[in-house]
Amino acid sequence: GNSVTQMEGPVTLSEEAFLTINCTYTATGYPSLFWYVQYPGEGLQLLLKATKADDKGSNKGFEATYRKETTSFHLEKGSVQVSDSAVYFCALRRNTGFQKLVFGTGTRLLVSP
Amino acid sequence: DTEVTQTPKHLVMGMTNKKSLKCEQHMGHRAMYWYKQKAKKPPELMFVYSYEKLSINESVPSRFSPECPNSSLLNLHLHALQPEDSALYLCASSKGDQETQYFGPGTRLLVL
Repeated sequence: GNSVTQMEGPVTLSEEAFLTINCTYTATGYPSLFWYVQYPGEGLQLLLKATKADDKGSNKGFEATYRKETTSFHLEKGSVQVSDSAVYFCALRRNTGFQKLVFGTGTRLLVSP
Repeated sequence: DTEVTQTPKHLVMGMTNKKSLKCEQHMGHRAMYWYKQKAKKPPELMFVYSYEKLSINESVPSRFSPECPNSSLLNLHLHALQPEDSALYLCASSKGDQETQYFGPGTRLLVL
């Protein structure tokens, strides 16, 4: 079946540190891949997406590249801020007919000043 | 604009109460969704509406009753809930049911 595996959290960083949150997936075919962010007490916000192999999604300094050969979609940011503290969900959706979003378990990021 | 709004933001209800959650979008999206999210877990899909018709019910108990009065509005009617139904209820919408989903801020529900 389809699944998403994310690194266990929390990830604890100091401000201006480099961030990587690992995400790997299992799916048949070529799914679309997403990163959603959930700030404390809020709903999910779409952070970025990629719909085919080698696509790079980017937004607000975050980037992720769709790597078909390693079935990965790792989230990176060059310099994190305290305001980036949140839970990050990697998700996939197959592209044939209606398909549910399949979420990873989420990774909590804590950034200290 | 990718805004989905939800009301109320917080709701406390007893097990014998009837209440409703409301979700609205004005992006012309034709698919709308209800999700349930427990603490420290990812969202779980409950219902999907496509072109105002219920297309997916993920075996949700009948005490949850969705309604889509028009293409911009989605309701979730709640009746005789249990304490374990306490959660964050998220609404989402997308252009079509194969498109990117945009989420609202959620309604935090507490059942006493």
